[in-house]
Amino acid sequence: DAKTTQPPSMDCAEGRAANLPCNHSTISGNEYVYWYRQIHSQGPQYIIHGLKNNETNEMASLIITEDRKSSTLILPHATLRDTAVYYCIVRVRPHQKVTFGIGTKLQVIP
Amino acid sequence: GAGVSQTPSNKVTEKGKYVELRCDPISGHTALYWYRQSLGQGPEFLIYFQGTGAADDSGLPNDRFFAVRPEGSVSTLKIQRTERGDSAVYLCASSLPPGELFFGEGSRLTVL
Repeated sequence: DAKTTQPPSMDCAEGRAANLPCNHSTISGNEYVYWYRQIHSQGPQYIIHGLKNNETNEMASLIITEDRKSSTLILPHATLRDTAVYYCIVRVRPHQKVTFGIGTKLQVIP
Repeated sequence: GAGVSQTPSNKVTEKGKYVELRCDPISGHTALYWYRQSLGQGPEFLIYFQGTGAADDSGLPNDRFFAVRPEGSVSTLKIQRTERGDSAVYLCASSLPPGELFFGEGSRLTVL
């Protein structure tokens, strides 16, 4: 699986959009971009995934650059409950081994 | 149950003892994964099962660690001769390929 690079931490004001970047410059054509998050003392939770088109669901939006070398997870209106570590992962489907990095610790500030 | 269930939620043991951690996946999920997570780190892959067989056990750190899934549902992670360095949260996840992983709350292992 391709390696990803994320900033170790970010702050976001409550109610504002949180934009979390991820670099995956070595991504290959059959690798998907996945995002998970982990709230303190809980197991990771799936957020969203995409291949090359932008994706949106009830939790977030995923914007993938045209060259697929980077992506941004957008939480449109961050709440205090969104404070968590966010992991960007690239992997081949259906190959199942999922490798996590250190992620970005997002702190939503009141 | 509705989600992935892991027991025990907390386990304290002494160095050198044997430990078993259990994972009950979401019903119908054929893939099952074990990870361990140390403080401040992301989850570290240990092993994953597709059905009853271990499809990838490349993350098991040494031969003290072993996992089974005899009937393709419940899995047990077994750690022999525990060491203080084995202290971590052990996470289990399941999925219905090629779907996303659903994680349990983890089993916190402390080796004194």
